[in-house]
Amino acid sequence: NAGVTQTPKFRVLKTGQSMTLLCAQDMNHEYMYWYRQDPGMGLRLIHYSVGEGTTAKGEVPDGYNVSRLKKQNFLLGLESAAPSQTSVYFCASTRTVENTEAFFGQGTRLTVV
Amino acid sequence: AQSVTQPDIHITVSEGASLELRCNYSYGATPYLFWYVQSPGQGLQLLLKYFSGDTLVQGIKGFEAEFKRSQSSFNLRKPSVHWSDAAEYFCAVIGGTSYGKLTFGQGTILTVHP
Repeated sequence: NAGVTQTPKFRVLKTGQSMTLLCAQDMNHEYMYWYRQDPGMGLRLIHYSVGEGTTAKGEVPDGYNVSRLKKQNFLLGLESAAPSQTSVYFCASTRTVENTEAFFGQGTRLTVV
Repeated sequence: AQSVTQPDIHITVSEGASLELRCNYSYGATPYLFWYVQSPGQGLQLLLKYFSGDTLVQGIKGFEAEFKRSQSSFNLRKPSVHWSDAAEYFCAVIGGTSYGKLTFGQGTILTVHP
């Protein structure tokens, strides 16, 4: 049982480049989330999805886009990377709002130079 | 909107000593409360959670936390710390039917001296 898997684990981008982070879960969870972690700020919600084909903005959505074409996958895109997007990105999933324990991936460390 | 405050950025304890990590939340009703632990370079692991019922909850690795509504607190405790407990600890809250969105505190880094 893999749980939540993120790819890639590390990436270095130049300013202005684009990339997509992939999150895959094999627990048949409805809800999926993308968070970013910055020192001294905890984790902040970027975007989330409450089901296949749905997405919504979180606390810090600017500069990011997401898609949930399949229930098990949640993609996070950076169209034009900026140094301010240097961070560690975590994907998480939960089954339903009644069962709100979140399972996290191992994280993606992104550096934008 | 809910918020979480962890007043202590960094705590140092000796191995075998007791530990208490503080967490205060702001939310109008009873929230769902969580403590997560993150080892260096790793993802987040759930230590314990409070949804309702008994205000003292037991978690993994010998941790416990007590929900105190009157103080809007959910402090994490362990009677005897082990060197392997060195990590960063996050308190988090879900307020009502917010689709499971977690609001995290800033985190507390725990250092354990031998």
